[in-house]
Amino acid sequence: DGGITQSPKYLFRKEGQNVTLSCEQNLNHDAMYWYRQDPGQGLRLIYYSQIVNDFQKGDIAEGYSVSREKKESFPLTVTSAQKNPTAFYLCASSPTGRWNQPQHFGDGTRLSIL
Amino acid sequence: KQEVTQIPAALSVPEGENLVLNCSFTDSAIYNLQWFRQDPGKGLTSLLLIQSSQREQTSGRLNASLDKSSGRSTLYIAASQPGDSATYLCAVRLDNTDKLIFGTGTRLQVFP
Repeated sequence: DGGITQSPKYLFRKEGQNVTLSCEQNLNHDAMYWYRQDPGQGLRLIYYSQIVNDFQKGDIAEGYSVSREKKESFPLTVTSAQKNPTAFYLCASSPTGRWNQPQHFGDGTRLSIL
Repeated sequence: KQEVTQIPAALSVPEGENLVLNCSFTDSAIYNLQWFRQDPGKGLTSLLLIQSSQREQTSGRLNASLDKSSGRSTLYIAASQPGDSATYLCAVRLDNTDKLIFGTGTRLQVFP
């Protein structure tokens, strides 16, 4: 079955540490996205990529970094510069340019501070 | 700047009731609008997608309507069941872009 796999499901970060969240898709989608979800708030866009080796900042990119070396993979690094990283992180994908198609989501990674 | 609001924030109803969830957006220049379902600790599942040129979409007991000029969408759930308990989110796609703007969601609980 095609889908999006996020790992790990739970992640703990120590002060001053960088951590990387994995997102892999086998839907052959060109576009991939990272969202952050906090209690009582909607999803906010961190970064998105419409094609390999290219990505754009979303609304809350500070303290995060991404790479898109392969079509299937879009890892997100939460750096030590992100002072409030505790949140639920969701990865999504969609076919670029086919805006009449819905975005597909993974099951998320919950990040907490130790 | 596009803002998306969902009312009510939470809803608790007995099984069998017909429900209406509301979504409003400030800028009518949207390409389409999506309704999603999110179960606790899980990702989002797309329920319905309405193009800006459409008035409504139906899937089973779900019906979503769109009034683009007034900046409103409603999700109608017929004959609610305990299995419908989840958070429902709406999101608008801006014209000519891959970006979605999400509402804050309505947390629904249907009790037996």
